[in-house]
Amino acid sequence: EAGVAQSPRYKIIEKRQSVAFWCNPISGHATLYWYQQILGQGPKLLIQFQNNGVVDDSQLPKDRFSAERLKGVDSTLKIQPAKLEDSAVYLCASSLDRLRPVQNEQFFGPGTRLTVL
Amino acid sequence: AQKVTQAQTEISVVEKEDVTLDCVYETRDTTYYLFWYKQPPSGELVFLIRRNSFDEQNEISGRYSWNFQKSTSSFNFTITASQVVDSAVYFCALSEDQGYGQNFVFGPGTRLSVLP
Repeated sequence: EAGVAQSPRYKIIEKRQSVAFWCNPISGHATLYWYQQILGQGPKLLIQFQNNGVVDDSQLPKDRFSAERLKGVDSTLKIQPAKLEDSAVYLCASSLDRLRPVQNEQFFGPGTRLTVL
Repeated sequence: AQKVTQAQTEISVVEKEDVTLDCVYETRDTTYYLFWYKQPPSGELVFLIRRNSFDEQNEISGRYSWNFQKSTSSFNFTITASQVVDSAVYFCALSEDQGYGQNFVFGPGTRLSVLP
């Protein structure tokens, strides 16, 4: 079974530029998550989708970050415009919906390492 | 508010030593789940174990074992006879039921270095 796919793996941009990341979850996984992992810290949840609907985006900086999951499969995360503090690894994860979401173990992709200069 | 604490930032051991990684959590919920993930140098987080708040039985999987103690809000992870391949950052995570989804919080991680 294929895992969570992400692209690109690395991205270097100048501040104020825009960037987009793509994620393809494990087939059949209804729930998709985007995390930001700053160097030396644990991942921080940015947004959670169930199918193509947003379940939780309370920690997404909506003035510059946006995400969508059209057709309930692939997802894109965009940053516009980027700031220096956005330098981090952006992780995508997916989970099979169990009877109760609290039980979901998440499976992670390899991440996209973003460097903002 | 929920919180996950991993007080050990970095641990170094020599191969074949046993090592325990500590995890302490805070939650007001009675139903919650705890997880451990491994992040090797390649960067991809690997799921290791899930535990629910009603099951305090210790679990062993090969060289890995987990000790869940609700009385002290701890979920510690022990690697027996450590190997160089165990070198990674290990994260403890807490999942609470938000009703409409899953509130998933990671601890800051413990970097384990196993020296040959």
